[in-house]
Parts: sequence; C-alpha cells; structure tokens
Amino acid sequence: KQEVTQIPAALSVPEGENLVLNCSFTDSAIYNLQWFRQDPGKGLTSLLLIQSSQREQTSGRLNASLDKSSGRSTLYIAASQPGDSATYLCAPAGGNQGGKLIFGQGTELSVKP
Amino acid sequence: DVKVTQSSRYLVKRTGEKVFLECVQDMDHENMFWYRQDPGLGLRLIYFSYDVKMKEKGDIPEGYSVSREKKERFSLILESASTNQTSMYLCASSFPYYRGPNQPQHFGDGTRLSIL
Repeated sequence: KQEVTQIPAALSVPEGENLVLNCSFTDSAIYNLQWFRQDPGKGLTSLLLIQSSQREQTSGRLNASLDKSSGRSTLYIAASQPGDSATYLCAPAGGNQGGKLIFGQGTELSVKP
Repeated sequence: DVKVTQSSRYLVKRTGEKVFLECVQDMDHENMFWYRQDPGLGLRLIYFSYDVKMKEKGDIPEGYSVSREKKERFSLILESASTNQTSMYLCASSFPYYRGPNQPQHFGDGTRLSIL
C-alpha cells in the first residue's frame, strides 16, 4: 500500500528565502505526482503535476522534481513571499492504488515579512 | 479554467439526519471523487466514480453512499449522520488516465460539516 511522507511537517522562514519541501513515497510504480497548495479552511489548488517520465516541472517561482526510482519528489520555492504561506501537499497517483491519489500529511509553511 | 463547485461551504446537521453533499464540475470529467480531511489523518478517499452510475469504494466508505445520475454531478450521502462524521469534505474531478498521464485532479472549495 502506498505511503507518503512529507518532511518537514512545519516550516517558518523569513521573506525572500529559497526553500525546499520534501515528499517521499513507498511505491515507485506511479503515473504522476501532483503538488497542491491549501489555504486554511479552503480546498486544494493544483500547483504542478509531474508525469512519471519527467524529472522536473516549473511554474513561475515553483520547481518540482521527481526521482521515481528512489521514491522522492521535492518542491522548490524561490524568493518566498508572505503570500506563499499555506499547507503544501504532495500526492502520487497510479501504481498499485489503481490510479487514485494518495496524500501526504502536508508541510505547513509560514513566510514572515 | 476547471470549476468544481460544492453546494455549501458550511453545513450544520443533527445526529440521525440524512445529509446530502452536492458537487458539480464543468469540464466533462469522467472521474469524480469525495474525500474527507481531518487533523492528523490527512485526506482520505471515501468514494469515487469513473462514469455515470459507476462507483467504487475508497478507503473509508462506511456510513456513506454516493449517487451519480449525471456526468457533471456527484453526490455524497450520509445515511444517518453521526458526530464522528464532523469533518471537512472535499470533492474533486479529473479525466481518466487512459487519456494520458498528465490529468490533474481539480478540487472544490470544500464543505465544513458539523454534526451536533
């Protein structure tokens, strides 16, 4: 059964720092991996999707990488801003869970002005 | 842009009531999903549907049922609400994987349900 771990659980940084959020998963037979952002009391916003054949995906200040064989993905946020404060969730899809997303517990990010 | 709309942001119901949560998507997605999210437990899949009138149990289906009579609408039903079903409920939709491995799931804003 796929298990997803996100480290750290919480992170507080000053504005302007570059930061890395980590995601590891146990079943490497995935179709893709999505990174989401969730603001308090709200739904999930899809940030990036990396296909299993890709190594990286970029959107603005966000860059996600995927190393399927080692079961790892990272989300890199450049020049962090207070508006980046949110919980970030990773979710691999595919493999032995029939294509369904399996979520990590998330990393709660706080960017201080 | 994909729009997934959940009928209520906040809902308060009483124990034993039958509760309906509605979700509508406007992208002609075949797949639709219901999750619940609880502190410390994360997001857990309740049910999903891969076509009209088709449904499959997720990880925690007990106490819930679903209905998908039209492609754009997926309803979650709490047959007899209990206090342990107080939670945030999230609906999502996507194209199926046979359309390619780059099909993201899109989420609604969530319904925060309280059972008293």
